[in-house]
Formats: sequence, C-alpha cells, structure tokens
Amino acid sequence: DTAVSQTPKYLVTQMGNDKSIKCEQNLGHDTMYWYKQDSKKFLKIMFSYNNKELIINETVPNRFSPKSPDKAHLNLHINSLELGDSAVYFCASSPSAPRGETQYFGPGTRLLVL
Amino acid sequence: AQTVTQSQPEMSVQEAETVTLSCTYDTSESDYYLFWYKQPPSRQMILVIRQEAYKQQNATENRFSVNFQKAAKSFSLKISDSQLGDAAMYFCAYRGYQAGTALIFGKGTTLSVSS
Repeated sequence: DTAVSQTPKYLVTQMGNDKSIKCEQNLGHDTMYWYKQDSKKFLKIMFSYNNKELIINETVPNRFSPKSPDKAHLNLHINSLELGDSAVYFCASSPSAPRGETQYFGPGTRLLVL
Repeated sequence: AQTVTQSQPEMSVQEAETVTLSCTYDTSESDYYLFWYKQPPSRQMILVIRQEAYKQQNATENRFSVNFQKAAKSFSLKISDSQLGDAAMYFCAYRGYQAGTALIFGKGTTLSVSS
C-alpha cells in the first residue's frame, strides 16, 4: 500500500546513456512533482504536472523530459547523461483540493553517472 | 522570489533534552504554508509538521511543535524529549497558497542525538 513509489531506487550508468525514472502514486492526487537533491543535499523543484498538464518547468537542461501518461504517473526521462546529473531524484504528489498544501514524497532514486 | 534560510548547518542534543531548529523565510505573500520535513539516512522525506500562515495558533504534533512568528518571518521547530530516532536532516520548506505550487526548501540542519 505504498503511497508514492519510484523505480528504480538506484541507477548506475555511463555518461552519454539515456535513462528513465518512473513514479506512481495511489493517493488519488491531481498534482505530481519532480525534485532534485544534489550532493550538498539541496532540494530544488524541476517540474510539476497537474492532471497531466505541465505547470512548472524550472530551468533544467532540455535533456530532462517529464511525461505524465495519466494523473497517477509521472516519469522522468534523461538523455545524454552527464556527470553532473548524479543526484537523488524525488517524486512527490499533492491533492489540488481543497488547498493541496501537503506534498508526499516517494523514496527517491539515487542516480550515479560514471 | 521566496527564500528559506536555515542558519544552523548542524545541531546536537542529548536524549530526553529539548532542541530548537531555526528557520527564516522571505516572501511578499500574505497567505502561504510552512513545513518541516525530516530526512533520515534512509533518505525518505517525512513530513514532521505544517503551519498555515493564516492560523495564529502554533502547530503541534506530539513531541514536535513550532514557533511561528509571521511578522518576523520566522518558523522554528522545537523537538521535546529527543530520541535517538530523531537524528536526521531537517528541512524547512515554504509553499505559496495556490495548490500545485512547488516547495522551496532551506539548506537543511543535520541533527545528531547522543545517549
């Protein structure tokens, strides 16, 4: 009965490869997010979707492309991976009503680019 | 743009004692939410407590309470009767009032608890 799940939990890959991280939530929430936590543990928003529509698109390289096939899923595809992409990526979700204040996080995906 | 500042990179406390983690923020909005999240070594982000800016009463969750000073834009977390399991990184976060707005995080405070 996991609320927000991510796969994989760990991802080790070579520079230049393309990889995807999947996120699913079973909370019935309308909004989903991707956050990046860098090596200094700083967390920053990357994208958010509401009912499959992109609503936040922070300044991230074009190599990062989110996709939301339905409101329970938000995937993150990364092309041409670089060393600097190594980080922990968190998916989160929140309801949009009544005020949707609390975001619930997945367990994170640790990406290591060699 | 909104910012969140946690001025204490590291704090330590002994078991059963009380510790306060500081957080200040900057915003021009009058309605917003504030949160404390805990991140243990497992890296899971766990919601500790939240505060609605329109509520004057400070939020409390068991041993965790906040001191919310809206005029001073201060939002500190008090942990009473500290336990070994409280050892973690704690993040203060701000969210605007509109649903779907992203969280803006501080840089975190690492709390260690000794027996």
